[in-house]
Amino acid sequence: AQSVTQPDIHITVSEGASLELRCNYSYGATPYLFWYVQSPGQGLQLLLKYFSGDTLVQGIKGFEAEFKRSQSSFNLRKPSVHWSDAAEYFCAVGGGDYKLSFGAGTTVTVRA
Amino acid sequence: DAGITQSPRYKITETGRQVTLMCHQTWSHSYMFWYRQDLGHGLRLIYYSAAADITDKGEVPDGYVVSRSKTENFPLTLESATRSQTSVYFCASSERSNYGYTFGSGTRLTVV
Repeated sequence: AQSVTQPDIHITVSEGASLELRCNYSYGATPYLFWYVQSPGQGLQLLLKYFSGDTLVQGIKGFEAEFKRSQSSFNLRKPSVHWSDAAEYFCAVGGGDYKLSFGAGTTVTVRA
Repeated sequence: DAGITQSPRYKITETGRQVTLMCHQTWSHSYMFWYRQDLGHGLRLIYYSAAADITDKGEVPDGYVVSRSKTENFPLTLESATRSQTSVYFCASSERSNYGYTFGSGTRLTVV
C-alpha cells in the first residue's frame, strides 16, 4: 500500500528565511511524487511533480523539491519565504493507476 | 469558463437525508476523483473513475455512491447522511498524458 508521512504538523518561519518541508513516502515501485499547496478556503494547487530524471525538481512560486530514493523522501524547499506562502502544504504519492495518497499536511505560518 | 466546478459550496443537511454533491469539468479529462478532507487526516480517496461508466472504490467508500454517465460529470451521493460524513469534499480530475490533479474549490458539508 502507498502512504505518505509529513512529520511536521505546523512550521513557523520568518519572512525572508528559508523553508523546508519534509515528506516521506512508502511505495512499492517507482513513485510519482507531488507537492500541493492549499490556501484557506481554497482547493489544492499543484506546486511541482516528479516522475523521473533529474532528482531536483523546480516548481511554481520559487519552490523546489528533491527526490532521494535511498531515504524515501521528497522534501520541499524555498530559499526565501514571502508572507503569501502561508498556507497548508500536502505531499502526495501515486503510480500508474492515477490514484494519489496524500499526507496529513503541514501548515506554514509566516511571521513578519 | 474552463475548469472544474463543484456545487454547492456549502451544504447543511440532516442525519438520514440523501444528499448529492456535484462535480463538473470542462477539459474532458479521463480521470475524476472524490476526496474528503478532515483535520489530521489530509485527503482520503472516496471513489474514482477512469472513464465514463468506469468507477471504483477508494480508501473510504462506505456510505457513498458515485456515477459517471458522462465524461464531464462525477456526482457523489451520500445515501443516508451521518454526522461522521461532515467534512470538506474535493473533486479532482487528471488527464493520462499530464498526470497531476486539478482540484475544484470544495464543498463544505455539515450533517446535523
